[in-house]
Amino acid sequence: GEDVEQSLFLSVREGDSSVINCTYTDSSSTYLYWYKQEPGAGLQLLTYIFSNMDMKQDQRLTVLLNKKDKHLSLRIADTQTGDSAIYFCAERGDSNYQLIWGAGTKLIIKP
Amino acid sequence: GAGVSQSPSNKVTEKGKDVELRCDPISGHTALYWYRQSLGQGLEFLIYFQGNSAPDKSGLPSDRFSAERTGGSVSTLTIQRTQQEDSAVYLCASSRDRANNEQFFGPGTRLTVL
Repeated sequence: GEDVEQSLFLSVREGDSSVINCTYTDSSSTYLYWYKQEPGAGLQLLTYIFSNMDMKQDQRLTVLLNKKDKHLSLRIADTQTGDSAIYFCAERGDSNYQLIWGAGTKLIIKP
Repeated sequence: GAGVSQSPSNKVTEKGKDVELRCDPISGHTALYWYRQSLGQGLEFLIYFQGNSAPDKSGLPSDRFSAERTGGSVSTLTIQRTQQEDSAVYLCASSRDRANNEQFFGPGTRLTVL
């Protein structure tokens, strides 16, 4: 079946940029998503990108999509302590409303 | 406005007991999803409701799991004869419609089966 892979942890210093990576296998992906889960809170959609785009920027967030390599990344500029959370990558195919989820990357901020 | 709410937030039960988990979606959202999140793993799709259509139950792991959605709004996920491997966080999400991109998630119910 289709799969989405992420590394489980990323540690960065406050003020640095964080880059969270994700790879997927579904060549028919139409939408790719980044969700954020803070402790004790529900998942929150951060941003998404259509598969015909290669970049999307929203304030401190930059999403890069390499469709050929099936690689998605989320860059958070000037990482703050409030960015500490688990970040999930998810993808949706064209014919299915279901999302396929990665296991999540826990972002740890060092002072 | 109110977001997706779930109850209870935590449930501890004994193996073999039945449990019911409740989800109140955002008013007006026609699509409702249930997921299971186990520690260190991604979300596992369980079931999907869209309007009055028959639900997609393809993600339910066994016949001990069932869900209903009354009046196109509130949904209940029922797990019968719970097992320890059912311990997880159960998440509910809703979206405006099937084509809509954003799913809004509730805070989840943490189920612990002893």
